[in-house]
Amino acid sequence: GQNIDQPTEMTATEGAIVQINCTYQTSGFNGLFWYQQHAGEAPTFLSYNVLDGLEEKGRFSSFLSRSKGYSYLLLKELQMKDSASYLCAVYGQNFVFGPGTRLSVLP
Amino acid sequence: DTGVSQDPRHKITKRGQNVTFRCDPISEHNRLYWYRQTLGQGPEFLTYFQNEAQLEKSRLLSDRFSAERPKGSFSTLEIQRTEQGDSAMYLCASSLDDSEAFFGQGTRLTVV
Repeated sequence: GQNIDQPTEMTATEGAIVQINCTYQTSGFNGLFWYQQHAGEAPTFLSYNVLDGLEEKGRFSSFLSRSKGYSYLLLKELQMKDSASYLCAVYGQNFVFGPGTRLSVLP
Repeated sequence: DTGVSQDPRHKITKRGQNVTFRCDPISEHNRLYWYRQTLGQGPEFLTYFQNEAQLEKSRLLSDRFSAERPKGSFSTLEIQRTEQGDSAMYLCASSLDDSEAFFGQGTRLTVV
């Protein structure tokens, strides 16, 4: 089976940096994905890691350690529009999502 | 291609009725997924297809739920004898093999 854990809520200030952690247990591993979901909308793809290390994509970076079953999403230069839920998803036997982390960006 | 589309966007039904939702994936995508999401929770995996084959179905899914993808293109999700606990957003996503999945806008089901 697969088990994915994320913090439920986080708060940060506009312009700051925030790190959202994700730990997982899975039988089989084909990649780890991060999605952003604004309230009432569908999830949208942010980043993807299949090998250990850091993937950078503009203000967003994602890190993976397969041996530790651990990933994080790093958001830099936070903007108010970054207030959303951030979902960690693992491709093992199938494509399973974590519970999501609700990020609030304050002025 | 305009992405993954789902129909209807909203459905209100009386308890005990059957409902059917449709999902049209991105045309070249061979994998199609169904999820259920309730407020404040992450998407909960229901089932997925590789082409027309249903490869996995969540153990949490009761026998009232069935999904098909008859020609490996669009898919339908049917819920029989709906219950109030079935009220949720039903999301469909598609991908090409293990690449990122793209989501439709979902069907919001309200059972009254």
